[in-house]
Amino acid sequence: GAGVSQSPSNKVTEKGKDVELRCDPISGHTALYWYRQSLGQGLEFLIYFQGNSAPDKSGLPSDRFSAERTGGSVSTLTIQRTQQEDSAVYLCASSLEVGEGTQYFGPGTRLLVL
Amino acid sequence: AQSVTQLGSHVSVSEGALVLLRCNYSSSVPPYLFWYVQYPNQGLQLLLKYTSAATLVKGINGFEAEFKKSETSFHLTKPSAHMSDAAEYFCAVSVEAAGNKLTFGGGTRVLVKP
Repeated sequence: GAGVSQSPSNKVTEKGKDVELRCDPISGHTALYWYRQSLGQGLEFLIYFQGNSAPDKSGLPSDRFSAERTGGSVSTLTIQRTQQEDSAVYLCASSLEVGEGTQYFGPGTRLLVL
Repeated sequence: AQSVTQLGSHVSVSEGALVLLRCNYSSSVPPYLFWYVQYPNQGLQLLLKYTSAATLVKGINGFEAEFKKSETSFHLTKPSAHMSDAAEYFCAVSVEAAGNKLTFGGGTRVLVKP
């Protein structure tokens, strides 16, 4: 596609359930980033992938959060045993390279945990 | 570690007036600096970026920003506000050694009055 796509656009779940959020980066982009945007914390980095290197997971808030990137393209962010404080907009971005490459953002997934 | 401070969480300007959004950063190594705009229920769109070339950077929609190393600032300006500029603006910093993950300021919401 022309840009970064994310699905679903909205997700409502019950506390304690697991959720999976998907990101399709721009074709050919080697770097992929996940960020979270919440009222209390603003925009914060979660994790990034660069090619075949081990991901940088330094921003993941707890071990309930994990992500994978299959075949160097699509990425899935998984949140296990969701809590109400996980409610936020989850943004994915990709860039052509890690250098000074501009990050292009998807529209986000709005997650609401009841 | 890097950090970004945006002065003013809300700014109100009259249509046709100067828009000035302030951003100060902290980084122990030469940074890349970015301004992103976010319209309601959308992802982030890049306005402009500084990557160690010219210190005065011109972006889309008539915006520009000047990198001032001595002041650790990267303020965003637009000579004449338009109603379509109403949005939230984020300043961000990254460094290549950290994989270019973005560290964002708290954001400034711009209201344009007719």
